[in-house]
Amino acid sequence: GAVVSQHPSWVICKSGTSVKIECRSLDFQATTMFWYRQFPKQSLMLMATSNEGSKATYEQGVEKDKFLINHASLTLSTLTVTSAHPEDSSFYICSAIGVGGSSTDTQYFGPGTRLTVL
Amino acid sequence: GESVGLHLPTLSVQEGDNSIINCAYSNSASDYFIWYKQESGKGPQFIIDIRSNMDKRQGQRVTVLLNKTVKHLSLQIAATQPGDSAVYFCAENPNTGGFKTIFGAGTRLFVKA
Repeated sequence: GAVVSQHPSWVICKSGTSVKIECRSLDFQATTMFWYRQFPKQSLMLMATSNEGSKATYEQGVEKDKFLINHASLTLSTLTVTSAHPEDSSFYICSAIGVGGSSTDTQYFGPGTRLTVL
Repeated sequence: GESVGLHLPTLSVQEGDNSIINCAYSNSASDYFIWYKQESGKGPQFIIDIRSNMDKRQGQRVTVLLNKTVKHLSLQIAATQPGDSAVYFCAENPNTGGFKTIFGAGTRLFVKA
């Protein structure tokens, strides 16, 4: 149980285009999902917290107009990288906490999406 | 500011030996700590967690120790196997009222056969 999927697993796009990444909780409902970015040989950096039915909470330094997050259902959150540039190339990872979860509940992570912007 | 860091960026051990991965955290208010394993090109995988009211927790082949006095975490892996080769991250919940998790820098574990 507690499986989180991401789609696509990798994507290559041209500079200036937008890319949408999906994060789904497959066997549980998630009121809260998280989006992380990881550059090579670095740690995961939290970008934003996605709450079902409300606006996402972005971490300091993350441009909300560039990284659009939508959490329209209890099983799906999407991250759209708008007007992507080569410096946005990274490994994007989502995680989810089940409905009714507390701050000490386990986050279940997706497999990640490798974005390469040419 | 809040940060979680690791003493050693890489660790190389012989198969069958025990591994110890260390982590320092700076936020004394953090109340929940987690160790994750990340294999190349994959998302983090939960290994073990510990709450701040505990100082030791054991799982299958893994033990986490928490020393709140010096704000230090360690992950001990018994009888390390080649499949344990990965990057290990400690993470903390800074107890700011939400689910925010802060990841440490990571330690790469190499297991020599």
